[in-house]
Amino acid sequence: DAGVTQSPTHLIKTRGQHVTLRCSPISGHKSVSWYQQVLGQGPQFIFQYYEKEERGRGNFPDRFSARQFPNYSSELNVNALLLGDSALYLCASSLSGQETQYFGPGTRLLVL
Amino acid sequence: GIQVEQSPPDLILQEGANSTLRCNFSDSVNNLQWFHQNPWGQLINLFYIPSGTKQNGRLSATTVATERYSLLYISSSQTTDSGVYFCAVGAGANNLFFGTGTRLTVIP
Repeated sequence: DAGVTQSPTHLIKTRGQHVTLRCSPISGHKSVSWYQQVLGQGPQFIFQYYEKEERGRGNFPDRFSARQFPNYSSELNVNALLLGDSALYLCASSLSGQETQYFGPGTRLLVL
Repeated sequence: GIQVEQSPPDLILQEGANSTLRCNFSDSVNNLQWFHQNPWGQLINLFYIPSGTKQNGRLSATTVATERYSLLYISSSQTTDSGVYFCAVGAGANNLFFGTGTRLTVIP
């Protein structure tokens, strides 16, 4: 079975632009979570979705938004990019959100 | 949120040596996971262990929930064990709080 997949793997944007990151969970998993990991730190929680509903939101500005589709895949959108948004963005899937979470390979975003 | 402290921050081992990584957390939890992050950034699940002891090959983990800490043991370390080890905890909510990690380097 395929694990969690994310696209694209790498992305370069300039300040002020918008970006969309995509995630497909493990088959049968209904919950997707997004995390941001800046260099030298542990991942920080951004959002969790379950059955297309937002179930949790971390301490991130409104420039960050997400959604989950009927097939349980998810998108993370970031508007008005700042240099500080440069990071590894990780997606995790789980059955319902409160047990073992499995992470994808991540998307490396560089904002110039 | 829950504070998670990991120690040591950095660890250098000779191949074949054993090590213990520690994770302290500030509140009661119902979810605790250990991950290994490889040089390419992939987080690999090692254990889901909110309490008790588990073993998987050369790795084992123990969580003492009442005392708010967890230990990850690596025996007979190999160069492929190098990377960053993260402890992450959750407490009823839907997100995991990560520590700052232990960077392990195993030299041949």
